[in-house]
Amino acid sequence: DTGVSQDPRHKITKRGQNVTFRCDPISEHNRLYWYRQTLGQGPEFLTYFQNEAQLEKSRLLSDRFSAERPKGSFSTLEIQRTEQGDSAMYLCASSQRGDSYNEQFFGPGTRLTVL
Amino acid sequence: AQSVSQHNHHVILSEAASLELGCNYSYGGTVNLFWYVQYPGQHLQLLLKYFSGDPLVKGIKGFEAEFIKSKFSFNLRKPSVQWSDTAEYFCALRAAGNKLTFGGGTRVLVKP
Repeated sequence: DTGVSQDPRHKITKRGQNVTFRCDPISEHNRLYWYRQTLGQGPEFLTYFQNEAQLEKSRLLSDRFSAERPKGSFSTLEIQRTEQGDSAMYLCASSQRGDSYNEQFFGPGTRLTVL
Repeated sequence: AQSVSQHNHHVILSEAASLELGCNYSYGGTVNLFWYVQYPGQHLQLLLKYFSGDPLVKGIKGFEAEFIKSKFSFNLRKPSVQWSDTAEYFCALRAAGNKLTFGGGTRVLVKP
């Protein structure tokens, strides 16, 4: 399967714990995006990488959130000191610079539940 | 700042009925517009996109959408739905930069 993959698919944690999610984009894609989707809402943009450079961050991304893409391939999203309001689906997408449509391909998401 | 609104949160219809989902956006400049679909248990998939040119765009599975600039709208249509069209549909725009701004989604249930 050459699509976007995310791990884990589900994560249950207690409030105050740290969690880390991983995203593997489509192999030739150099752009990677993180979105968050809460129940009944559409996805909301969190941050975006081109290769290893983090080029844009939403104000939704509080200082408890950090994302990395150290080698320009996979990315991690870490949430420190989780809160119940962090419960959501975290989506990753990738696209190819140079594709005139910049179509974003989405992964299956990681569902986070904070107890 | 840009925003997208989808008027219907839930739509229920029978097979062979026609479907139209509304999408309006707010942004003063050039936009690219998308419709994504999420089938039960699956990830978001692109249905169709508008970048420029013919305002009537055709996508996969018989869907089409019309961009009406004067109304800031990009409504999705399908003349005859099937049970397999049961899904959640999201309208999205890309304005400045590369991020997508999504609407709240419309859940469509097609009764067999």
